[in-house]
Amino acid sequence: SAVISQKPSRDICQRGTSLTIQCQVDSQVTMMFWYRQQPGQSLTLIATANQGSEATYESGFVIDKFPISRPNLTFSTLTVSNMSPEDSSIYLCSAYDPNTEAFFGQGTRLTVV
Amino acid sequence: DAKTTQPNSMESNEEEPVHLPCNHSTISGTDYIHWYRQLPSQGPEYVIHGLTSNVNNRMASLAIAEDRKSSTLILHRATLRDAAVYYCILETSGSRLTFGEGTQLTVNP
Repeated sequence: SAVISQKPSRDICQRGTSLTIQCQVDSQVTMMFWYRQQPGQSLTLIATANQGSEATYESGFVIDKFPISRPNLTFSTLTVSNMSPEDSSIYLCSAYDPNTEAFFGQGTRLTVV
Repeated sequence: DAKTTQPNSMESNEEEPVHLPCNHSTISGTDYIHWYRQLPSQGPEYVIHGLTSNVNNRMASLAIAEDRKSSTLILHRATLRDAAVYYCILETSGSRLTFGEGTQLTVNP
């Protein structure tokens, strides 16, 4: 099994600023993903973090707003740029090797004021 | 992307079996069916997954219809700790796990 450490666990940020969330996995994994979850709702996939290349974004999410890095097979970052109150949410990192089980971080609770 | 449909909520009594249904009528031949659950203030937790055959593990059983257009997660004896939101997910192209709305399971003592 894999253990995911996600930092920070929570933050309160001013609108117009940016926040970078880090995701560290304790073993190498093929796939890493970033999700967003509004309170009481399901998870929405933001993008697939590709090792050594640009992330693959889902419809409605763009690189300028959510730049993602994945320099190696155990680490990824998600930046929420030029934040507005609408970006207040929980952001989760996931690690996955196909046809096995996915692991999720505990999430980063972001509040934009 | 292929979509899943689940009841919004279900209720069970402790120590009784629970059958959580999921419809995925647009599933393609290579899509795996995954189930995860999420407890309050935690990230989702893996429960089980399968492709065509029924699957069993220590947590649950997964029954997959012969045409693969539906599946059922079976918790054999519900406990209070099983109260959670259960998500039925199809693993689609690019090995992406796209979540549906999930079923809120309430377990009564």
